[in-house]
Amino acid sequence: GAGVSQSPRYKVAKRGQDVALRCDPISGHVSLFWYQQALGQGPEFLTYFQNEAQLDKSGLPSDRFFAERPEGSVSTLKIQRTQQEDSAVYLCASSWSGGTYSNQPQHFGDGTRLSIL
Amino acid sequence: RKEVEQDPGPFNVPEGATVAFNCTYSNSASQSFFWYRQDCRKEPKLLMSVYSSGNEDGRFTAQLNRASQYISLLIRDSKLSDSATYLCVVNSLYNTNAGKSTFGDGTTLTVKP
Repeated sequence: GAGVSQSPRYKVAKRGQDVALRCDPISGHVSLFWYQQALGQGPEFLTYFQNEAQLDKSGLPSDRFFAERPEGSVSTLKIQRTQQEDSAVYLCASSWSGGTYSNQPQHFGDGTRLSIL
Repeated sequence: RKEVEQDPGPFNVPEGATVAFNCTYSNSASQSFFWYRQDCRKEPKLLMSVYSSGNEDGRFTAQLNRASQYISLLIRDSKLSDSATYLCVVNSLYNTNAGKSTFGDGTTLTVKP
């Protein structure tokens, strides 16, 4: 399809395990964002890429969280030594940004629902 | 205090009612504004952008008041299918021409027959 694709849709892991979440943005979209959404709250910003460059990682909650986008398209969010408080929905969004019209709205994937037992 | 604040609701209204949501933001450097809709266990989807002059899309009207730093969304003639959570989104601008989005926690609307 033409939308943002995330996998897996659901992930259950034991506390202490490492997990990797994948995001495939809309083709041609330069900007890619990761968000964390807890139940009953809005998405909270984690990190931002422009192409392969990670320009803002101020929202990553700890050094257990790591994101990459090595070729400027697919991105992976990795969480090491998972904790129960990491349980949330992880949303990826992409936008086309550039030219004279800036600040395009973001298009979201379905999210990965992560549960840490 | 959160950077973007919304009344969480819930708003329970009958079909055909008019309902309005407000959202306030604290960053005066904010550049652009959006309303997103999120259905239960689904991803947020763009409903409409919000322009300074106000804008309308069918039954939906969005307004921006930069001086008071609030945004509103008006829904006329509510439909059952309008039941969802409405997220207010405020963008500040990276120098890369991408927008850093800050989300409110959403306002829940339930339209009843």
